[in-house]
Amino acid sequence: EPEVTQTPSHQVTQMGQEVILRCVPISNHLYFYWYRQILGQKVEFLVSFYNNEISEKSEIFDDQFSVERPDGSNFTLKIRSTKLEDSAMYFCASRPGRMQETQYFGPGTRLLVL
Amino acid sequence: AQSVTQLDSHVSVSEGTPVLLRCNYSSSYSPSLFWYVQHPNKGLQLLLKYTSAATLVKGINGFEAEFKKSETSFHLTKPSAHMSDAAEYFCVVSDRSTLTFGKGTMLLVSP
Repeated sequence: EPEVTQTPSHQVTQMGQEVILRCVPISNHLYFYWYRQILGQKVEFLVSFYNNEISEKSEIFDDQFSVERPDGSNFTLKIRSTKLEDSAMYFCASRPGRMQETQYFGPGTRLLVL
Repeated sequence: AQSVTQLDSHVSVSEGTPVLLRCNYSSSYSPSLFWYVQHPNKGLQLLLKYTSAATLVKGINGFEAEFKKSETSFHLTKPSAHMSDAAEYFCVVSDRSTLTFGKGTMLLVSP
């Protein structure tokens, strides 16, 4: 069964460094998402992406965040200058189309900012 | 605006006994509702979903949930817990574009 994959599974970085989290959504899916889960807190929506542009973003998704679909398979989340509070589990998700609401999640990338 | 309240942060059951994980929601729309499960060090796996068809929804691994509009609830149940059910469970509401998660309920299963 097709799955969403994410790399790396864990990343440790220094405050102020840039990180890129990578996701490969399910191949025929059209909508892509990033969520984050700070330890002990809720899973929070960051951004949705469709037709090569951001369709919706939350207040969390400020100017230090960006997303890109550089080719036909990858979907990336870049954090330009990481802060301690960016430490979290980041989940990528995808869904097939507008009439199909179920989102399929990847295993997550655990980011630790020191 | 939409929101989800999971009433219990932890639920402990013995193996073989019933499971009840409670969820209440609020939504401006006719909602779609989901339960996801997260096993340790794993991603979020879809258990079941309600999308305005039958109010009693059956999912994987013997779980089911009943949508009750009058109570704005979508509680998750299973008749008999298994050790492998120990995980964190998230109730989720959809407004057709984004998902809003509850805080999660950790299910602990003892032998």
